[in-house]
Amino acid sequence: AQSVTQPDIHITVSEGASLELRCNYSYGATPYLFWYVQSPGQGLQLLLKYFSGDTLVQGIKGFEAEFKRSQSSFNLRKPSVHWSDAAEYFCAVGARPNTDKLIFGTGTRLQVFP
Amino acid sequence: SQTIHQWPATLVQPVGSPLSLECTVEGTSNPNLYWYRQAAGRGLQLLFYSVGIGQISSEVPQNLSASRPQDRQFILSSKKLLLSDSGFYLCAWSVGGPQETQYFGPGTRLLVL
Repeated sequence: AQSVTQPDIHITVSEGASLELRCNYSYGATPYLFWYVQSPGQGLQLLLKYFSGDTLVQGIKGFEAEFKRSQSSFNLRKPSVHWSDAAEYFCAVGARPNTDKLIFGTGTRLQVFP
Repeated sequence: SQTIHQWPATLVQPVGSPLSLECTVEGTSNPNLYWYRQAAGRGLQLLFYSVGIGQISSEVPQNLSASRPQDRQFILSSKKLLLSDSGFYLCAWSVGGPQETQYFGPGTRLLVL
């Protein structure tokens, strides 16, 4: 069965610093991959997704993620973090071909210091 | 455009009381609907999903149930709440198909005392 691991529970960065959030998945074939962001007490908002094609995916709010098949990873990056990026970030994998379900990681909480 | 609503936003209930959380979607037809629970530090757990009226798949055995009485309405219920039912409940929808993005509602925070 597919699974998602986000090894970092909590990350703290300074505003303006670069950011990389790690996501590793386990699945026998190429999965669908998603990154969502959740502000405190809110629902989840989609940042970006990968289905096929170019392995570097651009998302909203200046985020990007790179799918690396050899490493079973889909890490989220941002070159310069803003204080408003402080939130919880979830990686998710959707299994192919006949399921509409997503498997979520446990999330990484990002704290940004001024 | 599509909109998803959940209510109530916050709920405090005693152990053993019933529960009914409602989710409605506007601006789309025949969506897939999902109920997730988010417990602190544990990510999102899929509880139920539905591909059509009256069609409910349960992912985790528990004392919760779900119903879909109308195309764009999804209800999460319990006859008797447990302390362990406390958490943040999120409803989501998608147009269907494994490629399709799930869009989430604002959530309901449930505290069982």
